[in-house]
Amino acid sequence: DTGVSQNPRHKITKRGQNVTFRCDPISEHNRLYWYRQTLGQGPEFLTYFQNEAQLEKSRLLSDRFSAERPKGSFSTLEIQRTEQGDSAMYLCASSSLTGMNTEAFFGQGTRLTVV
Amino acid sequence: DQQVKQNSPSLSVQEGRISILNCDYTNSMFDYFLWYKKYPAEGPTFLISISSIKDKNEDGRFTVFLNKSAKHLSLHIVPSQPGDSAVYFCAASVNPYEKLTFGTGTRLTIIP
Repeated sequence: DTGVSQNPRHKITKRGQNVTFRCDPISEHNRLYWYRQTLGQGPEFLTYFQNEAQLEKSRLLSDRFSAERPKGSFSTLEIQRTEQGDSAMYLCASSSLTGMNTEAFFGQGTRLTVV
Repeated sequence: DQQVKQNSPSLSVQEGRISILNCDYTNSMFDYFLWYKKYPAEGPTFLISISSIKDKNEDGRFTVFLNKSAKHLSLHIVPSQPGDSAVYFCAASVNPYEKLTFGTGTRLTIIP
């Protein structure tokens, strides 16, 4: 297992376009999280899943954002009608509810630039 | 409302010396604390964690201290090495399985 994988690594899009990011968590990790990080800030929580159920969404997650985790494996984060303020690094993390190690492991992120 | 604060944006330390990174939090519901390290263009990498039932946790060169009454934690790196140069984030949650609230990070530079 190579850890949490995110694709694409970079995305440049025009304002108003839709974008979709994918996250493949560490296999058998029940929980999957999405965070967003802007310059000079720490990662900010967006949403998380336990298996296929979306358990919590942040107020940061406007109606233009939607996340899914079909079958409790990989997850997608879609942003519709992108705005320049959506430019950020989007980070995915996964963790296990069982076993000794419960810390979240992060992927390398998808850097979104909206022009 | 910044619930986790890292008041030092940057810190420079001589190689071989001790690096001390500080973090304060305001939410008394937080019971689980972690430190992550981040290199440019990479995701955060987990370093060390501590739960509120302990006041110290060690892992090799890294030690985290927790003062619950002061709502303060610190990360000590001894001895500091050039590869430790990175941005360090403090994070907190109400339990090990919940979402993390991060500080704004401290950029640590180790001077050879």
